[in-house]
Amino acid sequence: SQTIHQWPATLVQPVGSPLSLECTVEGTSNPNLYWYRQAAGRGLQLLFYSVGIGQISSEVPQNLSASRPQDRQFILSSKKLLLSDSGFYLCAWRALQVGLETQYFGPGTRLLVL
Amino acid sequence: GQQVMQIPQYQHVQEGEDFTTYCNSSTTLSNIQWYKQRPGGHPVFLIQLVKSGEVKKQKRLTFQFGEAKKNSSLHITATQTTDVGTYFCAGGSGGSNYKLTFGKGTLLTVNP
Repeated sequence: SQTIHQWPATLVQPVGSPLSLECTVEGTSNPNLYWYRQAAGRGLQLLFYSVGIGQISSEVPQNLSASRPQDRQFILSSKKLLLSDSGFYLCAWRALQVGLETQYFGPGTRLLVL
Repeated sequence: GQQVMQIPQYQHVQEGEDFTTYCNSSTTLSNIQWYKQRPGGHPVFLIQLVKSGEVKKQKRLTFQFGEAKKNSSLHITATQTTDVGTYFCAGGSGGSNYKLTFGKGTLLTVNP
């Protein structure tokens, strides 16, 4: 069966510090991968998605970046965090199967920038 | 671009009452999906609807997809405290579009 991991679970970082969040998927090959951010009590904002190694599409211009160094690894980074980067970061994967668009979410990382 | 509107934003009910949340897309969808996010948790897939006019049931939950494939609803009969959470709809446009368009969600709270 497929599983998705995210770490760390929680993170408190000072403004201006770098960020690296990691997401890995097990049990599937060549998944589509997604990074979302959810502000407190709000909806899901798609940040990046990837259809393959090294292929990243950005949805919202900001000081975040994403990379996919391996098929089942997706990394979200920042060189300098802003207060507004606080939120709940969710990674999701989707199987490459015609007609099946379901996304499966990881447990998320709660980021607080102080 | 495609937009999915979801109402209401919040709903508070007494345990045992029914609950409904509605989604409306600006464009025709290939499919619509529903997710539930418990407080402090992550979204969990509930169901996918694909056919025009489709109705699916999961115990006390009834999901409908409109005839025009532009709207959908989730109805919960006789709510329980375990139903608490945010319910999201997400529209898929199929083809080579890899993204889902999520509604902003409906937060359901249930008073025991």
